[in-house]
Amino acid sequence: DADVTQTPRNRITKTGKRIMLECSQTKGHDRMYWYRQDPGLGLRLIYYSFDVKDINKGEISDGYSVSRQAQAKFSLSLESAIPNQTALYFCATSDSWGAPSTDTQYFGPGTRLTVL
Amino acid sequence: GNSVTQMEGPVTLSEEAFLTINCTYTATGYPSLFWYVQYPGEGLQLLLKATKADDKGSNKGFEATYRKETTSFHLEKGSVQVSDSAVYFCALKSGQGAQKLVFGQGTRLTINP
Repeated sequence: DADVTQTPRNRITKTGKRIMLECSQTKGHDRMYWYRQDPGLGLRLIYYSFDVKDINKGEISDGYSVSRQAQAKFSLSLESAIPNQTALYFCATSDSWGAPSTDTQYFGPGTRLTVL
Repeated sequence: GNSVTQMEGPVTLSEEAFLTINCTYTATGYPSLFWYVQYPGEGLQLLLKATKADDKGSNKGFEATYRKETTSFHLEKGSVQVSDSAVYFCALKSGQGAQKLVFGQGTRLTINP
């Protein structure tokens, strides 16, 4: 089984709808991240969480919110979806043990979201 | 702020060709540098990393050397295979602050048999 799972894998929704993307991990990591990927722009950080009580905005958090329900679960919500939020969304995890400069992020398979 | 610039793609090569994908960075302090690979339909996977100047990361025949003097971390492979077809992302993580990854825009590589 995959260490980092995302549901759904694909979602088509309409403008104005609220949707939630979910991420679960079995790696026992304390840090979790949400990114979006757009063609030609690489990955951009939306939100990140260093533990259950620590939530931080990334570079493009407007229009998004998150919830860290447990150490293993980190959900991303679009309160009122708009077409320019059409993208590929990735969840990632890492742990805070060891040297700060060397931690590796582990990515889920992605959720392809289309907003019509 | 921190940033990463990668060579524009797409890159198309024949099998057994030599590969170079250029990556340069701008960062404060002494960042760690990474190459991630994304195979079709999958998430990103760490390919290799280097944490200090002159370190060489290597994995699966790929190599990259952390060059502080030229702020570069170019990815190389001596003989590519069709299975290397993927999107490659260069990234950095500053040793300060929130430990976030900053990605380049990605380079799509296609290897033809």
